[in-house]
Amino acid sequence: NAGVTQTPKFQVLKTGQSMTLQCAQDMNHEYMSWYRQDPGMGLRLIHYSVGAGITDQGEVPNGYNVSRSTTEDFPLRLLSAAPSQTSVYFCASSYSSGTAGTGELFFGEGSRLTVL
Amino acid sequence: LAKTTQPISMDSYEGQEVNITCSHNNIATNDYITWYQQFPSQGPRFIIQGYKTKVTNEVASLFIPADRKSSTLSLPRVSLSDTAVYYCLVGATTDSWGKLQFGAGTQVVVTP
Repeated sequence: NAGVTQTPKFQVLKTGQSMTLQCAQDMNHEYMSWYRQDPGMGLRLIHYSVGAGITDQGEVPNGYNVSRSTTEDFPLRLLSAAPSQTSVYFCASSYSSGTAGTGELFFGEGSRLTVL
Repeated sequence: LAKTTQPISMDSYEGQEVNITCSHNNIATNDYITWYQQFPSQGPRFIIQGYKTKVTNEVASLFIPADRKSSTLSLPRVSLSDTAVYYCLVGATTDSWGKLQFGAGTQVVVTP
């Protein structure tokens, strides 16, 4: 049982390049999400999904796209990277989508992205 | 959702008890209080959750007074490995994860 797996762990991009951060979970979790973490700012929600085929925007969605074609995978796409997207990205999942108050989020190890 | 306020940082020595207080003055009747721990270069992990009074597990204790406007995470006899950022979150059972907000957390540094 691997939990939440993120790839790559590190990535350097040039401004304007595109890339996809991969996230996979093997816990059959309904809910998946992407956060970014910048120094001193905690975690901010980018996009989330409550099930296959359903996605929604979080607090900071601009510059990012997501899709959820399967229960297991939730990739995050940067279409044209900007230096402001330099950050650490975390994918998280949870069994239930509608019980944030009493549920538990499971996080991946993070992907550190640098945009030059 | 109720906003939370935590100290930015706390320092402690090994073997001491660390108490981190989170203020959530606007907590609603259906809200629960959850704490996460994040080690450097890792994702956060769930450590404890409660609604009222006291909750204890193998890692920590959570004290919630009757008015529920604050809560205190207690880490007994900390070691160097307890150096981490601790996040307090408040949310209702029926809330969507999309509305749950992480604050900046409290950086706890444990020294020998």
